[in-house]
Amino acid sequence: AQKITQTQPGMFVQEKEAVTLDCTYDTSDPSYGLFWYKQPSSGEMIFLIYQGSYDQQNATEGRYSLNFQKARKSANLVISASQLGDSAMYFCAMSLRAPGNQFYFGTGTSLTVIP
Amino acid sequence: EAGVTQFPSHSVIEKGQTVTLRCDPISGHDNLYWYRRVMGKEIKFLLHFVKESKQDESGMPNNRFLAERTGGTYSTLKVQPAELEDSGVYFCASSQDRGFSGTDTQYFGPGTRLTVL
Repeated sequence: AQKITQTQPGMFVQEKEAVTLDCTYDTSDPSYGLFWYKQPSSGEMIFLIYQGSYDQQNATEGRYSLNFQKARKSANLVISASQLGDSAMYFCAMSLRAPGNQFYFGTGTSLTVIP
Repeated sequence: EAGVTQFPSHSVIEKGQTVTLRCDPISGHDNLYWYRRVMGKEIKFLLHFVKESKQDESGMPNNRFLAERTGGTYSTLKVQPAELEDSGVYFCASSQDRGFSGTDTQYFGPGTRLTVL
């Protein structure tokens, strides 16, 4: 069975500091994708970053990077130089290549950036 | 380019009533997904359309839920009759079909918050 675990219900970080949001996953399928989404208080889900299971390098997108440790089945999101606008809910998700790419989500981590 | 849009943003209905949620995917996206988040729980898959065809509806809770995708464009999700446990946020997402290239990024709408009293 596929499962995503986010063990941090809430996190606080000082503005301009870096923060790591944890995500572990479980699947026996060798081909999968890992995603992070941000959900601010306005409700929309914003795609942040993607990591494929066969990608050799960790994904980076601006201030976001994904610390992919395949052997540990972890895909932690690192946000560098936190900004007040980073305060939001963050969801980790996994998709398998087959059959239909449905996403499996974690329960989310609520991040608060403190000025 | 417009993103995924959903209507309404909020709906409050009484138990036993009918509600229809609408999703307009990103233009050109063949794949359309419905998900639901019940308060405090993870977001769960409901079903997946490829164009107008239901590819996977394994996540639909029961036969009170009916999803359609007219002409492979917008989709509706009808709940009839609504029960208290149907309350939650219903998300729609769409993605391009990139074939064999692997997993596709899904782009989500803002969700519809459904409250059943």
